[in-house]
Amino acid sequence: SAVISQKPSRDICQRGTSLTIQCQVDSQVTMMFWYRQQPGQSLTLIATANQGSEATYESGFVIDKFPISRPNLTFSTLTVSNMSPEDSSIYLCSVESDTQYFGPGTRLLVL
Amino acid sequence: GENVEQHPSTLSVQEGDSAVIKCTYSDSASNYFPWYKQELGKRPQLIIDIRSNVGEKKDQRIAVTLNKTAKHFSLHITETQPEDSAVYFCAASYSNDYKLSFGAGTTVTVRA
Repeated sequence: SAVISQKPSRDICQRGTSLTIQCQVDSQVTMMFWYRQQPGQSLTLIATANQGSEATYESGFVIDKFPISRPNLTFSTLTVSNMSPEDSSIYLCSVESDTQYFGPGTRLLVL
Repeated sequence: GENVEQHPSTLSVQEGDSAVIKCTYSDSASNYFPWYKQELGKRPQLIIDIRSNVGEKKDQRIAVTLNKTAKHFSLHITETQPEDSAVYFCAASYSNDYKLSFGAGTTVTVRA
């Protein structure tokens, strides 16, 4: 199975600021995804991070709010822009490698 | 898009009893159905999965059944233990894009 790390593991941010979350995988993978898990809720797919092209966003998520980079097959970043308290969530990256594995998540609190 | 419904939302069982969680999905094109276990403060961990060409799959105390006609699948945990206490999520996806649609989750509590 793929080994996935995320940075930061948690952060407390002020509203109006932006935070960039990094996801690193120990092997090359084609498919990488970003999910959001709001407090006490299920996981919701934000976007598919495509290597070499723009990310594919799900309904309700837009590039201006959640810009994503995927410079190579082992790394991706998700930025949460112009944050508000409603963005307080756990953000998880995942990779598809025969099955889907999740990173440890980034716990974000926006004040 | 795919819509996955999961029941019950909470489940309390006596240690040693069985637990059953049921999910239904809406998109008949979905063909991959994983189950994840999430302990408090931890990442979701895959515990078992099933593909649409199989009706049932078992791994020790855990089994999953799939009814494609009715578009529902279930997780069965036998001989429950306190360490089975967690939130369980079902999910569905179409293998061409691997995007997972999750159910709302079931909080399982195993009473000692």
